[in-house]
Amino acid sequence: AQKVTQAQTEISVVEKEDVTLDCVYETRDTTYYLFWYKQPPSGELVFLIRRNSFDEQNEISGRYSWNFQKSTSSFNFTITASQVVDSAVYFCALGTLTFGKGTMLLVSP
Amino acid sequence: KAGVTQTPRYLIKTRGQQVTLSCSPISGHRSVSWYQQTPGQGLQFLFEYFSETQRNKGNFPGRFSGRQFSNSRSEMNVSTLELGDSALYLCASRHGQADYGYTFGSGTRLTVV
Repeated sequence: AQKVTQAQTEISVVEKEDVTLDCVYETRDTTYYLFWYKQPPSGELVFLIRRNSFDEQNEISGRYSWNFQKSTSSFNFTITASQVVDSAVYFCALGTLTFGKGTMLLVSP
Repeated sequence: KAGVTQTPRYLIKTRGQQVTLSCSPISGHRSVSWYQQTPGQGLQFLFEYFSETQRNKGNFPGRFSGRQFSNSRSEMNVSTLELGDSALYLCASRHGQADYGYTFGSGTRLTVV
């Protein structure tokens, strides 16, 4: 069975702090995709990144970076110099069927 | 291009009634999936359709059903509504069968009273 665990239910930071959202997954598949989505208060999930299980290269996109470690089945997401607009619920997903319960990030000015 | 459109945006129904939610995917997308989001259970997969055929189904009772039309638009139906069906129902579309990320709609907020 597949499973995604986001142990952090809620994180509060002050603007400009760096914050890391953790994601641990379980799967018996050898080939799989991992995703991160952002859900602002409007409700729509916004796709952030897709990572193939064969590609363990870390990725950076502006203030966002992702650390994929197959050895520990983790796919963590770091926001550098957080901003108020980053406040949202962030979901990690394994394929299209299995989502974590989400981490609510609150960035205060 | 237009995103994934879900209608209605909000809905209030009474226990025992049935409801139909609609989803129009991004033009050219043939795969549509539905998810239920509640505070307690998080995002749970309901079903996926590709070219009018159901490809996957989540662990939900038979009261939850769906279909996809030839133009890729999809509907989901919930019969004999229960209070626990109150949730945000999200529809998502993607182009093909490959495991690429979905584009999500803004959802339909269903409240059962």
